[in-house]
Amino acid sequence: EIVLTQSPATLSLSPGETATLSCRASQSASDFLVWYQQKPGQPPRLLIYDTSNRATGIPARFSGSGSGTDFTLTISSLEPEDFAVYYCQQRISNWPSSIIFGQGTRLEIK
Amino acid sequence: QVQLQESGPGLVKPSQTLSLICSVSGGSISGDYYWTWIRQHPGAGLEWIGYTYHSGKTYFNPSLKGRVSMSVDTSKKQISLNLSSVTAADTAVYYCARVWTTMFRGVITHYYGMDVWGRGTTVIVSS
Repeated sequence: EIVLTQSPATLSLSPGETATLSCRASQSASDFLVWYQQKPGQPPRLLIYDTSNRATGIPARFSGSGSGTDFTLTISSLEPEDFAVYYCQQRISNWPSSIIFGQGTRLEIK
Repeated sequence: QVQLQESGPGLVKPSQTLSLICSVSGGSISGDYYWTWIRQHPGAGLEWIGYTYHSGKTYFNPSLKGRVSMSVDTSKKQISLNLSSVTAADTAVYYCARVWTTMFRGVITHYYGMDVWGRGTTVIVSS
């Protein structure tokens, strides 16, 4: 079973700082990683696809990188609206096809 | 722009079947998209339930052990979810979402992510 582990579980930063969120796969399941942002009471929103491509309408301060089993979401110059929970996700294409999520990183205001 | 709306009973008794509908508006249900259900237990992360294509092709989370079924009704532009033999552990917010992919003859050739989400519906399992 492939597991995505996100770290840290909680990240406390101030507006204007840079956030670095990690997502590590227990084994290489896919060449690509997806990131979502979720705010309280709202559904998740697609942030990053194909490891490093921003979804429509996502500001340039959000960037993704990585390969193999180690991936990173970087949010530069944090804005107040960026404080939320972030999830990484992969699709396992080998049979049986499935989708896995990391457990999430909560980005909170310090 | 495509919008999704989940609906269904907010309260289900243990051992019964949870049935939800996701209604699609503003776009096609029959294009090169899979449709997925995701749930979120109270205060917890996201759990993938399964995804389905309008051809009937479906994939499910193995952890749900055969309790789940999904289908697409193209005439009504709806995606259904049925989860049988529910317990309190199935209490969650249930989301439907569109899966953005490229496909060839119904087979996913590239997966991008879940690009459109419904607002979710809360289901409580209790007697």
